[in-house]
Amino acid sequence: GAVVSQHPSRVICKSGTSVKIECRSLDFQATTMFWYRQFPKQSLMLMATSNEGSKATYEQGVEKDKFLINHASLTLSTLTVTSAHPEDSSFYICSARRAGTHGTEAFFGQGTRLTVV
Amino acid sequence: GESVGLHLPTLSVQEGDNSIINCAYSNSASDYFIWYKQESGKGPQFIIDIRSNMDKRQGQRVTVLLNKTVKHLSLQIAATQPGDSAVYFCAESGNQAGTALIFGKGTTLSVSS
Repeated sequence: GAVVSQHPSRVICKSGTSVKIECRSLDFQATTMFWYRQFPKQSLMLMATSNEGSKATYEQGVEKDKFLINHASLTLSTLTVTSAHPEDSSFYICSARRAGTHGTEAFFGQGTRLTVV
Repeated sequence: GESVGLHLPTLSVQEGDNSIINCAYSNSASDYFIWYKQESGKGPQFIIDIRSNMDKRQGQRVTVLLNKTVKHLSLQIAATQPGDSAVYFCAESGNQAGTALIFGKGTTLSVSS
């Protein structure tokens, strides 16, 4: 079963509104989670690294005031797209890594399809 | 720029053929490499991974080869099936939980019957 759960899977919002996406690690604690964005026919691009109890680290070109990340617990990180515009429409995916038998495995959420109209 | 890339954006094969998808990476410090399959509208699905202390790893119908000398990674799919049609991404990272995976551009695999 899924070890990283993301919600909602699909959301449509009006331009100017804010949307919150949740990412949960289901059976392990994740001090670090990762947020990716994927445009059609493109690869996953890392947006930011979410750190539990501290500020997120954003990749170059990602506006931290627009994409608010909160990692208040060891199992939950949220991404809020503020004042969304049509160009923010994309597929957002979260990830967390867990120590495994042969090293650190990475798990991904199901993704959130955001459409801003 | 991206540290991981793929040589071909598309690959078309006949059902039953073997498929080989290639990937080049540039960060010699990376020590963990993964292949993912992504179907439309879904998140990446893990296929197989390999650590830098190995040069080959086999799974069910899939084999990953790692050549650290030329920083090249490949995914071989045996007896390709229509259900294998998807976009395939390679990804690289360090082996720590706080290290993000960096993805390559992706190769679209199309399998015809």
